[in-house]
Amino acid sequence: DTGVSQDPRHKITKRGQNVTFRCDPISEHNRLYWYRQTLGQGPEFLTYFQNEAQLEKSRLLSDRFSAERPKGSFSTLEIQRTEQGDSAMYLCASSQGGSSYNSPLHFGNGTRLTVT
Amino acid sequence: DAKTTQPNSMESNEEEPVHLPCNHSTISGTDYIHWYRQLPSQGPEYVIHGLTSNVNNRMASLAIAEDRKSSTLILHRATLRDAAVYYCILKSSGTYKYIFGTGTRLKVLA
Repeated sequence: DTGVSQDPRHKITKRGQNVTFRCDPISEHNRLYWYRQTLGQGPEFLTYFQNEAQLEKSRLLSDRFSAERPKGSFSTLEIQRTEQGDSAMYLCASSQGGSSYNSPLHFGNGTRLTVT
Repeated sequence: DAKTTQPNSMESNEEEPVHLPCNHSTISGTDYIHWYRQLPSQGPEYVIHGLTSNVNNRMASLAIAEDRKSSTLILHRATLRDAAVYYCILKSSGTYKYIFGTGTRLKVLA
């Protein structure tokens, strides 16, 4: 179990630029989640995938955000035309499949985005 | 999604038990109670979950009230490494989505 890995750990970008983050889940996990966390708040749900299918997306997620999970393995989260309000920690998590709704989430250590 | 209420912060002395409360008065019959914790500069990690009966694992114990409107996470012997934000989450059946609140920040005093 090598854990969930995220890349990069830190990203500084200028307002208006596009950024892309990568998440590699635990290999046998077929569910993958993206969360966003700002200082002093709990993680906020963005979206999740079952294999390559994006099954749910937060209504709070602007259309500048897009996530993909080609082939049901790694996932990318892209933010277009970044704004200062996008500055946050972006967390990825994965969980095992099957019929259980209670499979624990395994989180990576996140990508910290700073928009200047 | 059903809501949970937790104290913003708590303090405990090292090597003493810690009881972290969570109120969830609107819990439905099929909602599971999950606990995660987040250490500084890390992603959250799973602690424990349960439905009705009390649960124990190597990290903690979960005590669930008989009416299920509240629960308590018990750390039997707090260490400095247990200083973290602890999140109590109600997990609905029929969705794989976990909704986090703002949690309880636990400070452990040496």
